[in-house]
Amino acid sequence: QSVLTQSPSASGAPGQRVTISCSGSTSNIGSNSVNWYQQLSGAAPKLLIYRNNQRPSGVPDRFSGSKSGTSASLAISGLQSEDEADYYCAAWDDSLNGVLFGGGTKLTVL
Amino acid sequence: EVQLVQSGAEMKKPGESLKISCTTSGYRFNSNWIGWVRQMPGKGLEWMGMIFPGDSDTRYSPSFHGQVNMSVDSSISTAYLHWTSLKASDTAVYFCARRVGEAGWFDHWGRGTLVTVSS
Repeated sequence: QSVLTQSPSASGAPGQRVTISCSGSTSNIGSNSVNWYQQLSGAAPKLLIYRNNQRPSGVPDRFSGSKSGTSASLAISGLQSEDEADYYCAAWDDSLNGVLFGGGTKLTVL
Repeated sequence: EVQLVQSGAEMKKPGESLKISCTTSGYRFNSNWIGWVRQMPGKGLEWMGMIFPGDSDTRYSPSFHGQVNMSVDSSISTAYLHWTSLKASDTAVYFCARRVGEAGWFDHWGRGTLVTVSS
């Protein structure tokens, strides 16, 4: 059972904006940065957002991240069919002294 | 270019041992933690632990402590994940990933190694 809580699913039509949330606690999101990973079907995860809101080179600016308190969000604007994937939040947890992943959100592009 | 190349799929019987590998290139191996992540069939990502090749400092998730061992061979820039006695519940895809900072993020990932344990 993940300590970082994500909704299991999200959906949107092409061109729309969707938001995926991630809820944690003071020992993880509340005191450390949040990272987001995208996993296309059958592929390895890929870093999408690091340090709450930073995009690695090559990630479109349609993807954005934010954090407030013990929660974080990933927003995808101008939704495209190729965005259909599983999205995971992750953060360091000071109590665990390790990495926590959220349970993942399956994004469907209608 | 940073690359992490994982060993091929394995099919094992319960009770057997196994060591899978993650060979890195394109950066200074001893400078970054290497993490291992499990993904059971149809499930999410689980952090197993990580190892710092520079001094072999290792952190294990409580869920995996005592179940697996992590090691490195710095002479060939390779990290390993080792089981001494596999169980059917170890059936999963195992990813290695390079970490930026201990409390940071995984910026490069291997393609994963599928381990199937069945009698």
